[in-house]
Amino acid sequence: SQTIHQWPATLVQPVGSPLSLECTVEGTSNPNLYWYRQAAGRGLQLLFYSVGIGQISSEVPQNLSASRPQDRQFILSSKKLLLSDSGFYLCAWSQRRADTQYFGPGTRLTVL
Amino acid sequence: KQEVTQIPAALSVPEGENLVLNCSFTDSAIYNLQWFRQDPGKGLTSLLLIQSSQREQTSGRLNASLDKSSGRSTLYIAASQPGDSATYLCAVPKSNFGNEKLTFGTGTRLTIIP
Repeated sequence: SQTIHQWPATLVQPVGSPLSLECTVEGTSNPNLYWYRQAAGRGLQLLFYSVGIGQISSEVPQNLSASRPQDRQFILSSKKLLLSDSGFYLCAWSQRRADTQYFGPGTRLTVL
Repeated sequence: KQEVTQIPAALSVPEGENLVLNCSFTDSAIYNLQWFRQDPGKGLTSLLLIQSSQREQTSGRLNASLDKSSGRSTLYIAASQPGDSATYLCAVPKSNFGNEKLTFGTGTRLTIIP
């Protein structure tokens, strides 16, 4: 069966510090991978998605970036965090052209 | 631009009642529609997916309907239980070519009162 992992589960970082969140998927190959952010009082927002190694599509301009160094690994990064980067970050995967997205447990990021 | 709305934002019902959650979308040219459940502080769990050619999809006590022409979907929960308490989200793809980009509603927070 497929599983998706995210870490860390929670993170508190000062403004201006770097960020690295990691997501890995097990039990599948060549998945589509996604990063979402869920801010307080707002809906789920797609940040990045990837259909293959090194292939990243950005949905919104921001100070975040994503990378996919391996088939089942997706990394969300920032060089300098802003207060507005606080939120709940969710990674998800899906089979190519299939329908359902499966979500990880999320990372709660608080920027102070 | 596709917009997805879920009303009400919060709903409380006594245990055992049947209930309906609503989802509206502005662009009826959708590929499919998905319903998710999110427990506090957790990720999303996929509940049901309705293809654009379908009108209903059932899983246990859950039944989802889709009316593309009117831009509406409903999630019916029968015989509600306290364990059904969660936020329910609906989502539609942004294009007709796959599910790479989903637009989510802001959700309905459901509380089942024992």
